[in-house]
Amino acid sequence: DSGVTQTPKHLITATGQRVTLRCSPRSGDLSVYWYQQSLDQGLQFLIQYYNGEERAKGNILERFSAQQFPDLHSELNLSSLELGDSALYFCASSEGGGPVNEQFFGPGTRLTVL
Amino acid sequence: AQSVTQPDIHITVSEGASLELRCNYSYGATPYLFWYVQSPGQGLQLLLKYFSGDTLVQGIKGFEAEFKRSQSSFNLRKPSVHWSDAAEYFCAVGATSGTYKYIFGTGTRLKVLA
Repeated sequence: DSGVTQTPKHLITATGQRVTLRCSPRSGDLSVYWYQQSLDQGLQFLIQYYNGEERAKGNILERFSAQQFPDLHSELNLSSLELGDSALYFCASSEGGGPVNEQFFGPGTRLTVL
Repeated sequence: AQSVTQPDIHITVSEGASLELRCNYSYGATPYLFWYVQSPGQGLQLLLKYFSGDTLVQGIKGFEAEFKRSQSSFNLRKPSVHWSDAAEYFCAVGATSGTYKYIFGTGTRLKVLA
């Protein structure tokens, strides 16, 4: 158990809908990262927040947004969902904000868009 | 552009045999290098990391990796594989410049024969 929690574990929705994925980092960690893992794209880094501020941005679509709240939990919002958004979404956390920091991964949220 | 290549999608070894998983990266400077393991249905777990210093890095679960600057490689090795090592292995680069801070390879799925 990494100490990172993600909810929900599974999510099934329809095209065009909007969903919110939630992540609680390990106690004491200030950084939260979001990743998308799919069969065709592999593991893609989406975005990183550090202590409430956006720190780094990867392959995140404009239809997706994220934020980190004062209590350091984070939410990833996916809107206007398409079939291709079906994937496993991971959250990770680390103590610091730089690439040197070890990231601890949550168990993931499996999103299915029908 | 920064990239990480894992040329072997699948590898099958017998239990007790040695293992080497290949990873090549493309990056302008010395990157931060990581190996993660993902067991079925689980998030990723860090095996080891390299930032600087000794180019042979020891990790958890008996794994080691060697950074070779001249070959832009960071191959993962284990002298004797156990059945519980069956999983997917990801090489990753932490880049300190550029748009994308965290780049993962496509992964190598390891199968262990009893």
